Amino acid sequence: QKEVEQNSGPLSVPEGAIASLNCTYSDRGSQSFFWYRQYSGKSPELIMSIYSNGDKEDGRFTAQLNKASQYVSLLIRDSQPSDSATYLCAVNPKNTGNQFYFGTGTSLTVIP
Amino acid sequence: DAGVIQSPRHEVTEMGQEVTLRCKPISGHNSLFWYRQTMMRGLELLIYFNNNVPIDDSGMPEDRFSAKMPNASFSTLKIQPSEPRDSAVYFCASTVVTRQGNEKLFFGSGTQLSVL
Repeated sequence: QKEVEQNSGPLSVPEGAIASLNCTYSDRGSQSFFWYRQYSGKSPELIMSIYSNGDKEDGRFTAQLNKASQYVSLLIRDSQPSDSATYLCAVNPKNTGNQFYFGTGTSLTVIP
Repeated sequence: DAGVIQSPRHEVTEMGQEVTLRCKPISGHNSLFWYRQTMMRGLELLIYFNNNVPIDDSGMPEDRFSAKMPNASFSTLKIQPSEPRDSAVYFCASTVVTRQGNEKLFFGSGTQLSVL
């Protein structure tokens, strides 16, 4: 079983819609959760981090964490063509001093 | 802040040659990670250092791979001899501990390696 699992997609949404990206993880003791955006040919860019159950909002992005279900999601409101990228979920099982496990990513295309 | 700096951006070499990838972490970051990314396997952790000391190298695929961090501002990943299956994008990343005690990972721009 992989540490972090994501739907590989591709996921297509029309411009202006809400894109929903999902991620599950296997280590119940995980403390830190991250979403990275990676444009084609570029490096992963940190866009959201979340550490406690519930929602965390930053502009058009909302991260949702449910530790009981071992589930973390990313919602993108008012999707724009510039949001088209691969989104990587990452989990740090211990808050500091440990490796970061990455999912394989979900490819998102926002259709104008 | 210049971010994590990697060199070269692209490397094309022939099978059997030695390849050295370089990384300068963000100043003040005390952990450094080397990742490899391919379409088939995604992002794989190869090795990480904490305060210049290798902590976990279980992801290093073979003895052909080696990594060093001689000081806080420099690390190398060496492949000797290189093989075509080593072709991938190699990322270096470093972490900072926030005031809240959390750790965030920042990536360099990567080295695209092609072994012919």
